[in-house]
Amino acid sequence: TQLLEQSPQFLSIQEGENLTVYCNSSSVFSSLQWYRQEPGEGPVLLVTVVTGGEVKKLKRLTFQFGDARKDSSLHITAAQPGDTGLYLCAGKMRDSNYQLIWGAGTKLIIKP
Amino acid sequence: NAGVMQNPRHLVRRRGQEARLRCSPMKGHSHVYWYRQLPEEGLKFMVYLQKENIIDESGMPKERFSAEFPKEGPSILRIQQVVRGDSAAYFCASSPQELSTEAFFGQGTRLTVV
Repeated sequence: TQLLEQSPQFLSIQEGENLTVYCNSSSVFSSLQWYRQEPGEGPVLLVTVVTGGEVKKLKRLTFQFGDARKDSSLHITAAQPGDTGLYLCAGKMRDSNYQLIWGAGTKLIIKP
Repeated sequence: NAGVMQNPRHLVRRRGQEARLRCSPMKGHSHVYWYRQLPEEGLKFMVYLQKENIIDESGMPKERFSAEFPKEGPSILRIQQVVRGDSAAYFCASSPQELSTEAFFGQGTRLTVV
């Protein structure tokens, strides 16, 4: 059973378009992280959100944590080919200091 | 400042052989986590170690898999008598303390069992 569902699983769009990917769960997390993974590499942390309703911006990327801390979204404005990669969300359960529950990822391709 | 180093990057083993995967954490990091990733899937937690201690191995199969993080040297994930289903990417992450802050991932070892 996948505790964290990411959607869509795959997204291919043209350079310059906007997009939103989602990370949903029925569980409450104490925090949630977004990672980007390129082929043949390990995941690289983009952001950690902690407070329900929190919004964080990283250049053209906007991350939001749901009010109930069960879901999150990542919005990319004016996508560029360099944004191509696998975007993973990972949530930390409240009863653990180190266990992360991972989504299966959204594979994003930005075509020039 | 070197990041998390994993070696080898690629490992091919025949069924029944042993696979040894190494992970050198970032300097100053004493917490190591091993994850497994199958194609089109997220990462699955395997084991969490501190120097000379296994803190949580609940994600690791009880047979054939073992892990260690000695006082000196890298952390080792050992898989004995490998089977085709062990083929996957194995990632190591390290952090200076429990995962309340960022964990840094290595580039992974891609194990192929033939």
